[in-house]
Formats: sequence, C-alpha cells, structure tokens
Amino acid sequence: SQQGEEDPQALSIQEGENATMNCSYKTSINNLQWYRQNSGRGLVHLILIRSNEREKHSGRLRVTLDTSKKSSSLLITASRAADTASYFCATVADNDMRFGAGTRLTVKP
Amino acid sequence: EADIYQTPRYLVIGTGKKITLECSQTMGHDKMYWYQQDPGMELHLIHYSYGVNSTEKGDLSSESTVSRIRTEHFPLTLESARPSHTSQYLCASRAFGGGETQYFGPGTRLLVL
Repeated sequence: SQQGEEDPQALSIQEGENATMNCSYKTSINNLQWYRQNSGRGLVHLILIRSNEREKHSGRLRVTLDTSKKSSSLLITASRAADTASYFCATVADNDMRFGAGTRLTVKP
Repeated sequence: EADIYQTPRYLVIGTGKKITLECSQTMGHDKMYWYQQDPGMELHLIHYSYGVNSTEKGDLSSESTVSRIRTEHFPLTLESARPSHTSQYLCASRAFGGGETQYFGPGTRLLVL
C-alpha cells in the first residue's frame, strides 16, 4: 500500500510559471525521494532529502521536508514544456520504499 | 542512465498464453522489484527480491510468479495471460541500505486480447 499521497493529482500551468507539488505521509521516515516519469517510461530519480534535512536544491528543483507535519513539497521553477510528466514522491523507512499516486504536471508552451 | 533493462518493451498476446517478462541489471544490486502500473496511475508492488533465491509477494495480489537465480536477473512469468493483466510492468533495482535511490527499467507494455 502507498505511504505518500501527492497533491494535487493533476496540475496544468503555462511555461515560465512555477509548479508546486505536495506529498504527505503517515509514518516516520529515513528519507524522502522524488521521481519523474515521462509518459510510457520508467521512473527517474530526481532528488533525495534525508529526515534531518529541511530543504534541498538541484538546478530548478527545490524540495522541502517538514517531519513534524509529515509532508514534503517539490517546487519546479521557471517550468518548461519538457517538464510535462508525472511526479512521484517515495518514502523510505526501514529499507522499505513506498510510492505515492503521483501528480500529473502539464506545462503548456 | 540506469543500467537496468527490460524486454520486450511492448507485447500483444492472446488470452491463455504463457509469457515471461525479462529484467536485467548490471549494477550488482541485491534488491529488485516488479511494479504494475496502469497509464498515469500509481505504482503497485507485485513482487520483490532481496537477493538470490529470495522472492516475496508485494502489496497487490498478482497471478504472476518470479524467480531470482542470478543477482542480475529477475524475470516475471504469467502462466496464463488474461485481459485483466493488460498493464505496464516496471522493473526496478536498489542497492542494499536505506539511503540508496531506486533505478527503473523502461517498462514493458502488455496487451492481452
């Protein structure tokens, strides 16, 4: 069963705008990861944030983690049409990885 | 680019046929996984393995079986395919230890007529 729940389920924005996706989870974790999936393909790892970290950056990606609220957010700045994909959060606890249901992001040119 | 491969990429097959979906990784990872995913939907874990001769069922009940005779190879077999098996099947692997990321293959899209 899934641990993380993404919000929103779908998001449509214009190119150049920022996209924010949220992930909530239920139990304590060791780390939280975000993955991207292009249509009909496998998932690709984007970024990992450990339970003792609060924020992490990678290029146009910014991830935050609030362990007190059991939630994380992924911000994609200055979005591009090529960012159109599904984004999944995955929580890791005791060597067990669980994926959320994903947010489907559409970036219109 | 992940060194994890799946074949075939696409398969159309008739009801009742036996099929094997292949998955291989060259990263020496102990952990391997099979997920079932309908287009645009969540991933459902159907099988996993923590090493050679170790296989476990996942969260989603599946009529498929798996084997792990070699570290690098984790095939999934459907003894008798049915239209309800139509889906995308994703294979993944991960090194032992909680901090490692998971690497996914490109997936196999299965259509059972």
